[in-house]
Amino acid sequence: DQQVKQNSPSLSVQEGRISILNCDYTNSMFDYFLWYKKYPAEGPTFLISISSIKDKNEDGRFTVFLNKSAKHLSLHIVPSQPGDSAVYFCAASPTSGTYKYIFGTGTRLKVLA
Amino acid sequence: DGGITQSPKYLFRKEGQNVTLSCEQNLNHDAMYWYRQDPGQGLRLIYYSQIVNDFQKGDIAEGYSVSREKKESFPLTVTSAQKNPTAFYLCASRGMWGANVLTFGAGSRLTVL
Repeated sequence: DQQVKQNSPSLSVQEGRISILNCDYTNSMFDYFLWYKKYPAEGPTFLISISSIKDKNEDGRFTVFLNKSAKHLSLHIVPSQPGDSAVYFCAASPTSGTYKYIFGTGTRLKVLA
Repeated sequence: DGGITQSPKYLFRKEGQNVTLSCEQNLNHDAMYWYRQDPGQGLRLIYYSQIVNDFQKGDIAEGYSVSREKKESFPLTVTSAQKNPTAFYLCASRGMWGANVLTFGAGSRLTVL
């Protein structure tokens, strides 16, 4: 039972355009969400997060949107750059009791120059 | 610099041998985690520990064991009972206060021949 899903395994975007990566979750106990970027044979690096008390969080070129009723979040990257090419993982966790972070399967983003 | 050190980076073992992956952090974080990454399956939680001398099974704990005798150390043993041990293993940690963000190490690639 996959509690965090990223249904698009890959995405190609032209440099300068917007990249939109999507993530869905099923567990209503999740109230904290994170996005990570990962290169091959390296550990993931944290990009941006959002708490369930918000519906939007912005950091530079990265914006995360949360739709709690739909159990859906998305990461927008504007403008996309070739250096953004990587695998992006979303993760979710409850923030009461056990902090158990569950990750999606990842979306490979390729930004074309 | 504070961070998480995983060793070894690459490890080859024969089938039926136990192997221990090291994870050390100097971030003074209380919680530590082990994940496994396989192609197309994202990051799956093996074990996690929220405090010293305590740990819980994740979603795929069978065939693995851990210990948490010191705050800074959380070694993972891959036993001969693990059916498909070849994978990329990631260790992470989280501080109890402040942002609920996981910090990852660079990973260890285990190949069983």
